[in-house]
Amino acid sequence: KAGVTQTPRYLIKTRGQQVTLSCSPISGHRSVSWYQQTPGQGLQFLFEYFSETQRNKGNFPGRFSGRQFSNSRSEMNVSTLELGDSALYLCASSTGTGESFGQYFGPGTRLTVT
Amino acid sequence: KNEVEQSPQNLTAQEGEFITINCSYSVGISALHWLQQHPGGGIVSLFMLSSGKKKHGRLIATINIQEKHSSLHITASHPRDSAVYICAVLTGTASKLTFGTGTRLQVTL
Repeated sequence: KAGVTQTPRYLIKTRGQQVTLSCSPISGHRSVSWYQQTPGQGLQFLFEYFSETQRNKGNFPGRFSGRQFSNSRSEMNVSTLELGDSALYLCASSTGTGESFGQYFGPGTRLTVT
Repeated sequence: KNEVEQSPQNLTAQEGEFITINCSYSVGISALHWLQQHPGGGIVSLFMLSSGKKKHGRLIATINIQEKHSSLHITASHPRDSAVYICAVLTGTASKLTFGTGTRLQVTL
């Protein structure tokens, strides 16, 4: 099976712009979670989508949003970019069901906001 | 206090040494992940466990649910093991991971 893919891998944006990142999960996985990693805060959970519905959400402002399509691919959007949004954005996919389920991480998108 | 605490934060070892990284958590969990992150950012899930012990090659992970503690052991360490090791706990039924701050391991020749 192909792994989790994320596009683009690198991105440079200017303050105030908006950005959309894409994540394609492993075939058959219905859950996609998004995480932000910064040197100061480490890894933090953004949100999780399961079957096109947001199932869980972390403590991020409303500028961070996401969606999931019927093929389980997910996008996250950050509007009105701030310098502090510079980070590695990781997505992970899983089956999303059952007592406990492993997560498979993508390579990440490194966003730099200037 | 963070919900997930790891120790040590940094670890330097010589090739061949036995390494232990510890993770303690304060919340009820459904599972615990050990993750490996190499420079460049990609994260690999090494183990997911909810009880007992798992072994994969030179890596061993254990968890004690009653004590809310997990350990990752690396036997016969090698320079290619140099990476950041992250403990993450899964709470509830949704795929929400809470992460420790990571342990930076450097293995030298």
